[in-house]
Amino acid sequence: DAGITQSPRYKITETGRQVTLMCHQTWSHSYMFWYRQDLGHGLRLIYYSAAADITDKGEVPDGYVVSRSKTENFPLTLESATRSQTSVYFCASKQYEQYFGPGTRLTVT
Amino acid sequence: QQQVKQSPQSLIVQKGGISIINCAYENTAFDYFPWYQQFPGKGPALLIAIRPDVSEKKEGRFTISFNKSAKQFSLHIMDSQPGDSATYFCAASSPETSGSRLTFGEGTQLTVNP
Repeated sequence: DAGITQSPRYKITETGRQVTLMCHQTWSHSYMFWYRQDLGHGLRLIYYSAAADITDKGEVPDGYVVSRSKTENFPLTLESATRSQTSVYFCASKQYEQYFGPGTRLTVT
Repeated sequence: QQQVKQSPQSLIVQKGGISIINCAYENTAFDYFPWYQQFPGKGPALLIAIRPDVSEKKEGRFTISFNKSAKQFSLHIMDSQPGDSATYFCAASSPETSGSRLTFGEGTQLTVNP
């Protein structure tokens, strides 16, 4: 089905481990985004990408790495997870209107 | 700094009542104002959006009112239903920012009591 998917939907990891969250969209939208959602903070932009091989920092990029080798994929990597990165992560894509994926709930113990 | 301020933080309405959520912005370059609806455990979903060339847009029970001079816009939900209980986010974007990135308000948790 067309749309935007995220995997895994739930993840528990330990402090210091590397974890990668996957995002895939089938629309061939140019722009893709990663947000984190925490109580009291709304949606905060981590990184975004204008096209394959073009990425840029958002509001809260520290501790995260992204890549975009293909238009349809935009993985987010936490190189050394910390408890403060426990959150719900949303990927989004946009051509004219922005659409969100279902989210990944990440817990760092 | 580009900001969108949303109020109230939470709202409780009786079934059949009108829910009103307000947002204010500073950046006069904003030219697109969407509202997103988010149910628990789901991603935000685009609900309705407006551009500043009109003062009001209506889709079913949902209406956006836009006041360009006051730099404010609001979401009105008529005949509110328990199924409308969700978190609502306003947002705004400017063509001056790369990708016309959305700036989000902090959200309003709406509860509609039966």
